[in-house]
Amino acid sequence: GAVVSQHPSWVICKSGTSVKIECRSLDFQATTMFWYRQFPKQSLMLMATSNEGSKATYEQGVEKDKFLINHASLTLSTLTVTSAHPEDSSFYICSALEGGQGNQPQHFGDGTRLSIL
Amino acid sequence: SQKIEQNSEALNIQEGKTATLTCNYTNYSPAYLQWYRQDPGRGPVFLLLIRENEKEKRKERLKVTFDTTLKQSLFHITASQPADSATYLCALGGYSSASKIIFGSGTRLSIRP
Repeated sequence: GAVVSQHPSWVICKSGTSVKIECRSLDFQATTMFWYRQFPKQSLMLMATSNEGSKATYEQGVEKDKFLINHASLTLSTLTVTSAHPEDSSFYICSALEGGQGNQPQHFGDGTRLSIL
Repeated sequence: SQKIEQNSEALNIQEGKTATLTCNYTNYSPAYLQWYRQDPGRGPVFLLLIRENEKEKRKERLKVTFDTTLKQSLFHITASQPADSATYLCALGGYSSASKIIFGSGTRLSIRP
């Protein structure tokens, strides 16, 4: 149980393109989802907390107009990287909290490797 | 400044031995601490959670301790196997919101046959 699916797993696109990444909880409802970014051989950096039905909370230094988050249902959150540039190339990973309770494990997707040419 | 440090970037041990990984933190007061395993190109997988009022947690070959005085958690894998080779991440939670966690830099563990 507690499976999180992330799509696409890999995307290459030209500079200036907008890219949408989906994060779905397959067998549970997730009031809260998180979006992380990970550079090679580094740890996960939290970008934003996504709450179903309300605006996302962004971490300091993360541009909300650059990284648009929508959490329209209890099983789906999307991250759109707008007008992507090479410096946005990274590994993006989402996670979901089952039931939205704190003090609980996060269930992670398998990430999206984004390469901007 | 706030820091989470995992003892070493890489740890290499012989199969069958106990692997011990360290997570130290400064200027945080976490309500709980979690350990995750991450394989290359994959998302982290949850292993264990330990709360601030707990000293030790066990799950099969895994054991976690949490010392809020030393601001340290130790993660042990007993009878280690090559399949245990992965990067292990500690994460602190409950310091600013109930659900948000912040990750350490990770330790890459290699178990040689």
